[in-house]
Amino acid sequence: DAGVIQSPRHEVTEMGQEVTLRCKPISGHNSLFWYRQTMMRGLELLIYFNNNVPIDDSGMPEDRFSAKMPNASFSTLKIQPSEPRDSAVYFCASRPQGLEQFFGPGTRLTVL
Amino acid sequence: AQSVSQHNHHVILSEAASLELGCNYSYGGTVNLFWYVQYPGQHLQLLLKYFSGDPLVKGIKGFEAEFIKSKFSFNLRKPSVQWSDTAEYFCAVTLYNQGGKLIFGQGTELSVKP
Repeated sequence: DAGVIQSPRHEVTEMGQEVTLRCKPISGHNSLFWYRQTMMRGLELLIYFNNNVPIDDSGMPEDRFSAKMPNASFSTLKIQPSEPRDSAVYFCASRPQGLEQFFGPGTRLTVL
Repeated sequence: AQSVSQHNHHVILSEAASLELGCNYSYGGTVNLFWYVQYPGQHLQLLLKYFSGDPLVKGIKGFEAEFIKSKFSFNLRKPSVQWSDTAEYFCAVTLYNQGGKLIFGQGTELSVKP
């Protein structure tokens, strides 16, 4: 198995632009999580899905952030408009029923 | 609110020294406990986990951790560190009936001098 796949690995954009991060979970995993990692705040859960349904989005910073999971093999995290304070590494993780999470390589986002 | 506290932000050791990283959590109910490692520039990898049973858990690369329920602790140990253990270590908790979302500690950066 290729593991959790994220794209792009690096993204540099200008303030105000739309950013879309993508994640392909491990096949057969029924839960998907989006995390953000910054020096100041560490690792924070943004949102997670069970069976493609958003369960808890209380960690999403504000309305500029949105996430979708249209099917079991794909999820997106969108930031519109982006701001410099959104600069971080965004991790996607997936999990089979009841077991530990497997993390993707992350997307390093820089908003200028 | 539930939280995870890691006592040390940065630990510097020489090779062959023993390691213990502290982790405490604040939640009175049933928990699952994890230690993840993040090598420089890489993603998080699971070192070990505790779900139930023997509170002394052995993980990969010679790491182990002990769950002490009365102290709400899950400290990570390794008897003899190597230079290749240089990384950031995260303790994390999932709460029963919370859908498996991880609550992470702030992380401990370990630097091992050759």
